[in-house]
Amino acid sequence: DGGITQSPKYLFRKEGQNVTLSCEQNLNHDAMYWYRQDPGQGLRLIYYSQIVNDFQKGDIAEGYSVSREKKESFPLTVTSAQKNPTAFYLCASRNGQSWEQYFGPGTRLTVT
Amino acid sequence: EDQVTQSPEALRLQEGESSSLNCSYTVSGLRGLFWYRQDPGKGPEFLFTLYSAGEEKEKERLKATLTKKESFLHITAPKPEDSATYLCAVTGGSYIPTFGRGTSLIVHP
Repeated sequence: DGGITQSPKYLFRKEGQNVTLSCEQNLNHDAMYWYRQDPGQGLRLIYYSQIVNDFQKGDIAEGYSVSREKKESFPLTVTSAQKNPTAFYLCASRNGQSWEQYFGPGTRLTVT
Repeated sequence: EDQVTQSPEALRLQEGESSSLNCSYTVSGLRGLFWYRQDPGKGPEFLFTLYSAGEEKEKERLKATLTKKESFLHITAPKPEDSATYLCAVTGGSYIPTFGRGTSLIVHP
């Protein structure tokens, strides 16, 4: 089955620790995205990548980093510099011929 | 800057009571308007893409329509399983999607 997987589903970390969220897709999509979702807010774009070895900052990139070494994978690192990291993180991908996105199941990160 | 406003924020319906959700938008060079369904604790599920004013798309009890300023998601004779948050998004000349905050729909049996 084609799709997007995110792991883990739930993640708990202590303040001051970096943490990496996994996103893998087997849809052969070129573009991949990371969003953050907080209660009562729309999805906010953190980073996006249109092609392997290239990525751009979104609206709220501060405190986050990404890499795109393979077409299938787009991991997100939440660094200790991110002031309010507790949130629901969503990964999405898009093929080159259309504009709709396909989302993974999400990772809920809790930092205490 | 692209903007998307969804209304109402929350909607409660009785089973079988048809209604509409609104998505007002401003965008430069519309490439697509999208509707997604999101269940609690899950990722959004793609429903429809609308590309130009006058376009309509249907899927089961859902019908999406588009004008130059807004889109409606009509829900006909809803069932409790239609309960979810419905998200609207637009992609314009920047090629980056802008999402609304969503409408939370609860359908009571």
